Amino acid sequence: DAGITQSPRHKVTETGTPVTLRCHQTENHRYMYWYRQDPGHGLRLIHYSYGVKDTDKGEVSDGYSVSRSKTEDFLLTLESATSSQTSVYFCAISESTGTDEQFFGPGTRLTVL
Amino acid sequence: EDQVTQSPEALRLQEGESSSLNCSYTVSGLRGLFWYRQDPGKGPEFLFTLYSAGEEKEKERLKATLTKKESFLHITAPKPEDSATYLCAVQAPGNQFYFGTGTSLTVIP
Repeated sequence: DAGITQSPRHKVTETGTPVTLRCHQTENHRYMYWYRQDPGHGLRLIHYSYGVKDTDKGEVSDGYSVSRSKTEDFLLTLESATSSQTSVYFCAISESTGTDEQFFGPGTRLTVL
Repeated sequence: EDQVTQSPEALRLQEGESSSLNCSYTVSGLRGLFWYRQDPGKGPEFLFTLYSAGEEKEKERLKATLTKKESFLHITAPKPEDSATYLCAVQAPGNQFYFGTGTSLTVIP
C-alpha cells in the first residue's frame, strides 16, 4: 500500500468553526490531491498541488483552501465549516505528471452539525 | 461540460457469470481514463489506466477497453471477492479529474 495517512479519520464539528484536515505521504510523490465523496456525486476534486507551495483549484474549491509547505504534507482547511461540507474527504497522490495513477488515502469522515 | 456516466448503478451476478460495466464520457482532450475499485469504508484502489482508443489492459479476471466515447470493464467468471464499487475517472487538460458515481457489483456464491 502507498504510504498515505490522513488525520483525523473522523471529526464532528459545528457550523462556523474552522477545520483542518491533514494528508501525509511517505512516497515523495510530486502531486497531491484532495477530493470529497458524496452519494450521487462520486468523487469531486477540491484542490491539488503539483509541488511545494504550488496549488491549483479543482471542480468544487469554493469554501476550501489548501497549503503545502513540505513535499510530504498537504493540508485542507475549511475556514468556516457549513453543513454542506459534511462529506468523506480523500487525499490522493501521484508520481509525476498526473497521467499516472493516483493512490488514495483511507479517508476522513467529517460531519458538520 | 465534462462528464462521466457509469452504468449500471448496481449489478448482481452469480459466481462465474461474466458481465461488463460501462463508462461513457464527454471530455475534450482526454489525457487518460482510469478504473478504480472501492471497498466499503476505504479509499479507491487503482486498477487500470487507458490512454487511447483501442487500448486494452488485463488483470486477473478484469479487462478494460477504451473507445473514443466509452470504456468497458469486463469481468470474466467473477468471484465473491470481486464484490466492490468500480469507479471510472477521466483526466481532462489542466490536470482536472472527473469521476463517475460508480457501479456497485455484488457477486453471489
